[in-house]
Amino acid sequence: NAGVTQTPKFRVLKTGQSMTLLCAQDMNHEYMYWYRQDPGMGLRLIHYSVGEGTTAKGEVPDGYNVSRLKKQNFLLGLESAAPSQTSVYFCASRRNLKTGNTEAFFGQGTRLTVV
Amino acid sequence: EDQVTQSPEALRLQEGESSSLNCSYTVSGLRGLFWYRQDPGKGPEFLFTLYSAGEEKEKERLKATLTKKESFLHITAPKPEDSATYLCAVDTGTASKLTFGTGTRLQVTL
Repeated sequence: NAGVTQTPKFRVLKTGQSMTLLCAQDMNHEYMYWYRQDPGMGLRLIHYSVGEGTTAKGEVPDGYNVSRLKKQNFLLGLESAAPSQTSVYFCASRRNLKTGNTEAFFGQGTRLTVV
Repeated sequence: EDQVTQSPEALRLQEGESSSLNCSYTVSGLRGLFWYRQDPGKGPEFLFTLYSAGEEKEKERLKATLTKKESFLHITAPKPEDSATYLCAVDTGTASKLTFGTGTRLQVTL
């Protein structure tokens, strides 16, 4: 029972490089989210998706893009990494609210350092 | 704009010393308030959901309560293994997003 799996767990990028973070969930959840967590700032929403083929901007979307081509996967892309994007990134998923049990399940995080 | 404020930022307790963590919120319409526990280097782990004022939930040494403006996480006779950061989040139904507070870092010593 894997839940939410993030790949990779750690990564160091040089300024200007690009990368994609992968999130996979095996719970058949409709909703998926990408958050970043910085000291003293809490969890801030970057982008989210309410279903396959849909995406929307969250609180801090600049510098990131996302795609949800398959229901179980949610990809977060950095086209040109900047030191300000050094953070810990968390993916989460939730069941469709109409069916109850609305807690979000989180992955283990990806620690990204941009030098 | 939805706001969630947690206090204190950090709390140090001795084993067996009970206390409470606070989560105050300002939202347009609350659909649920969530408590999570986060250990260092790990993702948040779900603890409780509260939906309406007056509701209470309990799990081992933890008890969560909800009023119209705030929620409390009461920790009774804590143990060192309760040391973690406790996060509060609200769901206002706006595109099913969860808005988080900055957390309370709890340390329980022997």
